[in-house]
Amino acid sequence: AAGVIQSPRHLIKEKRETATLKCYPIPRHDTVYWYQQGPGQDPQFLISFYEKMQSDKGSIPDRFSAQQFSDYHSELNMSSLELGDSALYFCASSLGQGAETQYFGPGTRLLVL
Amino acid sequence: AQSVTQLDSQVPVFEEAPVELRCNYSSSVSVYLFWYVQYPNQGLQLLLKYLSGSTLVKGINGFEAEFNKSQTSFHLRKPSVHISDTAEYFCAGSFSGGYNKLIFGAGTRLAVHP
Repeated sequence: AAGVIQSPRHLIKEKRETATLKCYPIPRHDTVYWYQQGPGQDPQFLISFYEKMQSDKGSIPDRFSAQQFSDYHSELNMSSLELGDSALYFCASSLGQGAETQYFGPGTRLLVL
Repeated sequence: AQSVTQLDSQVPVFEEAPVELRCNYSSSVSVYLFWYVQYPNQGLQLLLKYLSGSTLVKGINGFEAEFNKSQTSFHLRKPSVHISDTAEYFCAGSFSGGYNKLIFGAGTRLAVHP
């Protein structure tokens, strides 16, 4: 079965650079969630989209922005990168805003030097 | 406020022994509960979930969990662990009105020794 696809899988950036992470949900899934997992920490919710509209917002820095496109894929844009942004970024998808289960992608590991 | 607490950061256990990973939640609204497993350098894989109905839920790889509303717990159990079960286990909750964002516990590192 098709799963959530994230690209790139690994990314190395310098401080103050920008990064764009992409997420392709499971086919027919219309809801996308972004989570950030710092080293040795639990995943923290950043933001979610349902039917291309932002549905909820968590602890996402103002330097980050995200959107969901007409084909339901989502992109997380990160600017003015800081060392503390180094983390594993997960995307998850579900069918419907009220869906019970989120399916996670493999994550994008971002390293900021 | 809603929260999920995993009571043990690390659980060492010998192969073929039983194991219980503890999870408690705090919520004044209805909740869905999940256990995810994360192997080194990999993503999150759903082990099992409680949505409603039977309080004992069975998942993949021989794991099961029991939802206890009075104790606000959702402990994960396996009667006999294998070396391959060594991983990080996360308990997570989705709370009514939160548009299904997941709130994770801090994780429990299960280390199975031969």
